[in-house]
Amino acid sequence: GQNIDQPTEMTATEGAIVQINCTYQTSGFNGLFWYQQHAGEAPTFLSYNVLDGLEEKGRFSSFLSRSKGYSYLLLKELQMKDSASYLCAVMDSNYQLIWGAGTKLIIKP
Amino acid sequence: GAVVSQHPSWVICKSGTSVKIECRSLDFQATTMFWYRQFPKQSLMLMATSNEGSKATYEQGVEKDKFLINHASLTLSTLTVTSAHPEDSSFYICSARGNRDQGPQETQYFGPGTRLLVL
Repeated sequence: GQNIDQPTEMTATEGAIVQINCTYQTSGFNGLFWYQQHAGEAPTFLSYNVLDGLEEKGRFSSFLSRSKGYSYLLLKELQMKDSASYLCAVMDSNYQLIWGAGTKLIIKP
Repeated sequence: GAVVSQHPSWVICKSGTSVKIECRSLDFQATTMFWYRQFPKQSLMLMATSNEGSKATYEQGVEKDKFLINHASLTLSTLTVTSAHPEDSSFYICSARGNRDQGPQETQYFGPGTRLLVL
């Protein structure tokens, strides 16, 4: 079957750095997405990786290793507004998105 | 700014009534639109995928006669919850994918969601 694993919850301190990991097993691979979802709101697109390596976008970076079925989202200089759920999703060979359950990130002052 | 709009944002209705939710892509043509449902503190659940001009593909366990999806144009899809019951109360979110100038083509852009409460 297809499976996306990410931690359920993480806690970090304002101003610090946090890494949210995602491992996947899917039938085929056409890219990996990270979305941010604040409580009560719809997800918003953060990043897309289809090749191995690190993609940096401001305070957020996303890394992919296809051979290991692994990705991480790195958030630097954490701000209180970064408190949200972070969803990892993989596009399979049929271009269907397989969603992880999300990681709830709690930022403490 | 928003690239996908959804209307209405809130619906409260009586049991047995039908509710229509609209999803529009604002600055691109959405060849594919998706409808999700999300219960509190749970993950997104894909209900159906629709391509413009063709019938929607429903996920296992989703009743196609209860959740009617129409994707009549490249910018509009509608979800109608027919004969709604309290257990249909949820957060319904649409997303759209298509040829947008910004971002990867495979990206799904989400609407703001519709909260449905069936009394």
